[in-house]
Amino acid sequence: RKEVEQDPGPFNVPEGATVAFNCTYSNSASQSFFWYRQDCRKEPKLLMSVYSSGNEDGRFTAQLNRASQYISLLIRDSKLSDSATYLCVATGGFKTIFGAGTRLFVKA
Amino acid sequence: DADVTQTPRNRITKTGKRIMLECSQTKGHDRMYWYRQDPGLGLQLIYYSFDVKDINKGEISDGYSVSRQAQAKFSLSLESAIPNQTALYFCATSDSRFPAELFFGEGSRLTVL
Repeated sequence: RKEVEQDPGPFNVPEGATVAFNCTYSNSASQSFFWYRQDCRKEPKLLMSVYSSGNEDGRFTAQLNRASQYISLLIRDSKLSDSATYLCVATGGFKTIFGAGTRLFVKA
Repeated sequence: DADVTQTPRNRITKTGKRIMLECSQTKGHDRMYWYRQDPGLGLQLIYYSFDVKDINKGEISDGYSVSRQAQAKFSLSLESAIPNQTALYFCATSDSRFPAELFFGEGSRLTVL
């Protein structure tokens, strides 16, 4: 079993839609969580941190449920430019584990 | 200019050849990492270094070696390349104050024939 699991997608949504991605992690000792965004053939870039209290940045909301070992990312009012792969990340000690990513396509 | 620079960006080589991928950074970060990315597998850590005198193996270090020549430079070597090392390789850095926030180079695409 992978330490960080994501639905690979792809998610195909129209512009303006709301889309949610989920991620589960297996190591209960994981301490910090993040979402990264990766455009096709480009490097991953940090999108946002994830806190138990929730974290909102504009159209993006991230949530952590430690009891269920579950992380989510909600994108509201999707834009064409949101098309990318979203990587879920869990860290603990010296380990940073990346999920394989969820692909999102936003269409006009 | 990119804060984390990788060279070469693309390389095609043959089985058995020695290959070096180089990474340099201007972010002033003490921590540097090498990852490989394969379709469907996510990023896998090859080696990491927390300072010039510190080198640690990651999840998939077999067949690879690294050198931390300076705080700003971290190179990855494949002593004898094999086809299953064909992948996209990323160098990354982080600040020890925020170790989980990684900054990646643009990637080096390696093809081993």
